[in-house]
Amino acid sequence: AQKITQTQPGMFVQEKEAVTLDCTYDTSDQSYGLFWYKQPSSGEMIFLIYQGSYDEQNATEGRYSLNFQKARKSANLVISASQLGDSAMYFCAMREGRRRNAGNMLTFGGGTRLMVKP
Amino acid sequence: DGGITQSPKYLFRKEGQNVTLSCEQNLNHDAMYWYRQDPGQGLRLIYYSQIVNDFQKGDIAEGYSVSREKKESFPLTVTSAQKNPTAFYLCASSTPTGEGYTFGSGTRLTVV
Repeated sequence: AQKITQTQPGMFVQEKEAVTLDCTYDTSDQSYGLFWYKQPSSGEMIFLIYQGSYDEQNATEGRYSLNFQKARKSANLVISASQLGDSAMYFCAMREGRRRNAGNMLTFGGGTRLMVKP
Repeated sequence: DGGITQSPKYLFRKEGQNVTLSCEQNLNHDAMYWYRQDPGQGLRLIYYSQIVNDFQKGDIAEGYSVSREKKESFPLTVTSAQKNPTAFYLCASSTPTGEGYTFGSGTRLTVV
């Protein structure tokens, strides 16, 4: 089974509007972390936001917020006031467990291509 | 500034050749990782290393090899056994508990 599922291969949003990118995950761990990365056409992976499984508040970083619904195993990214520079691929990723030297690799979803229209 | 340096940015390989991708970090991170990305897809883990002189296979290790002789360096060799090596390769590092996950800018490998 897919551990990270992003069901929207591509999305359009009008400049200055808000957009939600979906992410659902599957894990049996109690302790895990969820990440969102932005990947522009240059290829670099730009960290946007992080949510720990025990965090009670939804994470926010500037125009980015994470709508974390633990019971539904979803971690949707909300971008407010979209800008043309937001056009990129967006990836949701999960780190399971948090044990020293046990491996902290990330599992990635397939990504969503966001296109912001002027 | 601390970060991860990957080189070269673009690499061309002939069929049957081994090539080595460089990854250097000055973040003092113990853990380092190699991911592969195919067009329009997410990243998949090739190898990871939690400590010097130790490394573990990831999900798609066949046809690849790594070494970790220094904390700062984690080179990836794409061998001739890798049947479809054309892809974008990303190196990353983190603390042992996974904090401060940082990616390099990637190497785009093309087989010619």
